[in-house]
Amino acid sequence: AQSVTQLGSHVSVSEGALVLLRCNYSSSVPPYLFWYVQYPNQGLQLLLKYTSAATLVKGINGFEAEFKKSETSFHLTKPSAHMSDAAEYFCAVSAPSQGGSEKLVFGKGTKLTVNP
Amino acid sequence: DTGVSQDPRHKITKRGQNVTFRCDPISEHNRLYWYRQTLGQGPEFLTYFQNEAQLEKSRLLSDRFSAERPKGSFSTLEIQRTEQGDSAMYLCASSPILPDTQYFGPGTRLTVL
Repeated sequence: AQSVTQLGSHVSVSEGALVLLRCNYSSSVPPYLFWYVQYPNQGLQLLLKYTSAATLVKGINGFEAEFKKSETSFHLTKPSAHMSDAAEYFCAVSAPSQGGSEKLVFGKGTKLTVNP
Repeated sequence: DTGVSQDPRHKITKRGQNVTFRCDPISEHNRLYWYRQTLGQGPEFLTYFQNEAQLEKSRLLSDRFSAERPKGSFSTLEIQRTEQGDSAMYLCASSPILPDTQYFGPGTRLTVL
């Protein structure tokens, strides 16, 4: 069964510092992987996705992630944090099923705090 | 593309009451999903529609929960005899026929008193 583990429920960085949010996945098939961001009391916005093309994926707002099959990881990075990056970030894997849903299985999320 | 919309955004109800939420997907999207998100957790899958057919339901979807998608357009999620444990954010998402990105709505936050 597909699963996602996000290491660190809370990450705090200074403005301008590197952002690194960790995600490890388990999948019985070649995975589709996603990072979503959620601002307070809002829905989820897609940051980027990996769908078996390039292993380094660039997303919106300067974020990128690298798919490493050998490490079963899909860590999210941004070279320089902005105050507006403060939010909760979710890693997800697409899970094939009998119903054909390709439902998403999410990690528990990492709350990013950016300090001035 | 107006995005996925959900109504209401917030709902406060008393235990034992019935509630219904609505989701309007992106117009050309055939696939529609409902997820539930409790405090401090990631969203969890509830159910999936392809057009008007409900093809998958999670074990989380007890018999008090029912979802419909008449005519393959908007969808409703009804919770009967609400319990305090039903308090959560209910998220709707849609995607095109080819499995790919799921686009999420803003969610309906349910509080059961």
